Amino acid sequence: QSGLTQPASVSGSPGQSIAISCTGTSRDIGGYDYVSWYQQHPGRAPKLLIFDVSERPSGVSHRFSGSKSGSTASLSISGLQAEDEAVYFCSSYSTGVTFVVFGGGTTLTVL
Amino acid sequence: EGQLLESGGALVPPGGSLRLSCAASGFSFSNYAMSWVRQAPGKGLEWVSAISGSGGDTFYPDSVKGRFTISRDNSKNVVYLQMDSLRVDDTALYYCAEGGTGSYEKWGQGTLVTVSS
Repeated sequence: QSGLTQPASVSGSPGQSIAISCTGTSRDIGGYDYVSWYQQHPGRAPKLLIFDVSERPSGVSHRFSGSKSGSTASLSISGLQAEDEAVYFCSSYSTGVTFVVFGGGTTLTVL
Repeated sequence: EGQLLESGGALVPPGGSLRLSCAASGFSFSNYAMSWVRQAPGKGLEWVSAISGSGGDTFYPDSVKGRFTISRDNSKNVVYLQMDSLRVDDTALYYCAEGGTGSYEKWGQGTLVTVSS
């Protein structure tokens, strides 16, 4: 099954900054500015953090930011906090085999 | 702010059918595309279907095309997912979400579909 590629895990200490990458193709990330990022805590529904590559919904902390270069998008988290420990998913509009494609998820551990 | 509440999940045998419902409240439902996204136990997210605000356009990935049908009733603020010819690998928590192109700000709590004999 085709999908966006994310690292399985990343880690950081409180107060540090980390980045999570999300790699696609010209049919999704590389071709459109419809990249979103989600945070999911265990047993909870995903929460939208970033949409349209770098836009933050109302109420989302400024510690979360998004960017894109070519077919790779990135989520950056600054000033890591314990509550940031969660799984992070990226998604993109796609003209490939599916209309919307997700990444496999990245587990963030705050050391 | 808006809420979504899914229902209809159950244990069904392979080859069976199920209809999920998602009741929306607190926002102008007919103005928004709606989607279903599923998550198999311990796995990632998979987009399952989307429908335009008017209901005139529907979209599916190949994995469910021909087996699943999304529809909506804007008079009742409800979106449905009819699932036929269910397979074991359709087992998942099914979320209803507001949006169509992958940007989903509102999510329900999910309804569990288990396909097993």
